[in-house]
Amino acid sequence: KNQVEQSPQSLIILEGKNCTLQCNYTVSPFSNLRWYKQDTGRGPVSLTIMTFSENTKSNGRYTATLDADTKQSSLHITASQLSDSASYICVVSPYPGGNYGQNFVFGPGTRLSVLP
Amino acid sequence: DGGITQSPKYLFRKEGQNVTLSCEQNLNHDAMYWYRQDPGQGLRLIYYSQIVNDFQKGDIAEGYSVSREKKESFPLTVTSAQKNPTAFYLCASRKGTGNRETQYFGPGTRLLVL
Repeated sequence: KNQVEQSPQSLIILEGKNCTLQCNYTVSPFSNLRWYKQDTGRGPVSLTIMTFSENTKSNGRYTATLDADTKQSSLHITASQLSDSASYICVVSPYPGGNYGQNFVFGPGTRLSVLP
Repeated sequence: DGGITQSPKYLFRKEGQNVTLSCEQNLNHDAMYWYRQDPGQGLRLIYYSQIVNDFQKGDIAEGYSVSREKKESFPLTVTSAQKNPTAFYLCASRKGTGNRETQYFGPGTRLLVL
């Protein structure tokens, strides 16, 4: 069964500190992996997308890494800000592309709280 | 502004009542999705539509119904058959195909049972 697991479930850090969130998946075959940021009570917003041939992708203070061999990804947040407080969701696509409807497997998310 | 809108933001349902959640997009995307989000769980697919007048059941379609009469609209009805409807409902549309396909999400509707 295709699954995406994320750790930790929740994380509290002080403003200005760095942190790393983890994503492990059993999705196969693998097409691409995305990280989304979801503010409380809002819809998710895409941060990064990586295909199986990419091992790192940055978006400002967010850097995602991918190890397709071990089926692991991480999201590193540098110099955290209060506005980084949100849930971060890892999403993996199991199909090699095409017009499939059920081609997104969502992780449960990591809840990050940044304190002043 | 281009994007996806959902309404209402909060919706209250009485026992035995059907309620409809609205989802509209002006991104000209063909594919649209409805997801349910519960605390501690990943988004679960309720229904999806690849094109107008066509839609397919997702993993948890029981107790829900949809229509896709227009490209820009994909309303979701939560019927009385759905015994545990309290959740956050997210609508999404998809841009592109293949490795660069991306979903765009609406702001969500929180459904509560009275």
